[in-house]
Amino acid sequence: DTGVSQDPRHKITKRGQNVTFRCDPISEHNRLYWYRQTLGQGPEFLTYFQNEAQLEKSRLLSDRFSAERPKGSFSTLEIQRTEQGDSAMYLCASSAAGSGANVLTFGAGSRLTVL
Amino acid sequence: SQKIEQNSEALNIQEGKTATLTCNYTNYSPAYLQWYRQDPGRGPVFLLLIRENEKEKRKERLKVTFDTTLKQSLFHITASQPADSATYLCARLGSNDYKLSFGAGTTVTVRA
Repeated sequence: DTGVSQDPRHKITKRGQNVTFRCDPISEHNRLYWYRQTLGQGPEFLTYFQNEAQLEKSRLLSDRFSAERPKGSFSTLEIQRTEQGDSAMYLCASSAAGSGANVLTFGAGSRLTVL
Repeated sequence: SQKIEQNSEALNIQEGKTATLTCNYTNYSPAYLQWYRQDPGRGPVFLLLIRENEKEKRKERLKVTFDTTLKQSLFHITASQPADSATYLCARLGSNDYKLSFGAGTTVTVRA
C-alpha cells in the first residue's frame, strides 16, 4: 500500500463544467475525509465518511458538491457547474477508526483551476 | 465556535537556530493537538501529537508543548536546517470529535 492516492493531480476547467476527483485511501482505513485548501489557508473540512456512510457535510459543501464512497473503498468528489470560487486544492485523507488521536494520512491533493 | 489560530507571519531563521511556532485555541481544550508539515503543492504530513494531559512531547529535533491554561501549543524545531523549510499546520481534535480543524499555518524558511 502506497498511501492515499488522488486523481487527477491537476484539473483546469471552464466555468460551468462538471469535474470529478477520485481518492483511494489506505486500504485498512475506514474513515475518509475531504478537505479544501486555498492559498495561504489551512485545510477546511468538507465531508467525512465512515465506511460507505457519509456522516457529516460541512456548510461549505453547497448543493453543487456531492461525494460518494461506494462499498467503503475509494471515494469521489463531484463539483457541478463549477465557479471560479471553486478553484482550490482538494485534499483527501484517511484514518483508522478506533485510533483516539485520529491521525490523518493525506493524499497529494487535486488542484482545480476554474477559468 | 472553536477556533484555532497560528502566528500568521512567515518565520525566517538562520540555519542552526531554533524555530518556535505558536498555536492558540479558543473555547474548550482539545483532546489532542496535532502538528503537520506541508510542502508546496503537496498534502500535509503528520509530525507529532500531544494529548491534553501531556505537557511536552519530543521527536528527534522537534518538540511540542501544551499549556491548557494559556490555551496554547508551541512547536519547536531545534538545530534548524534548510530542509526544514515548509509550512507547519496546527490542528485540534475534540474528545468527542472525529474531524481535525486546522489553523492557517506558519511558513518557515531556514537560511543556510
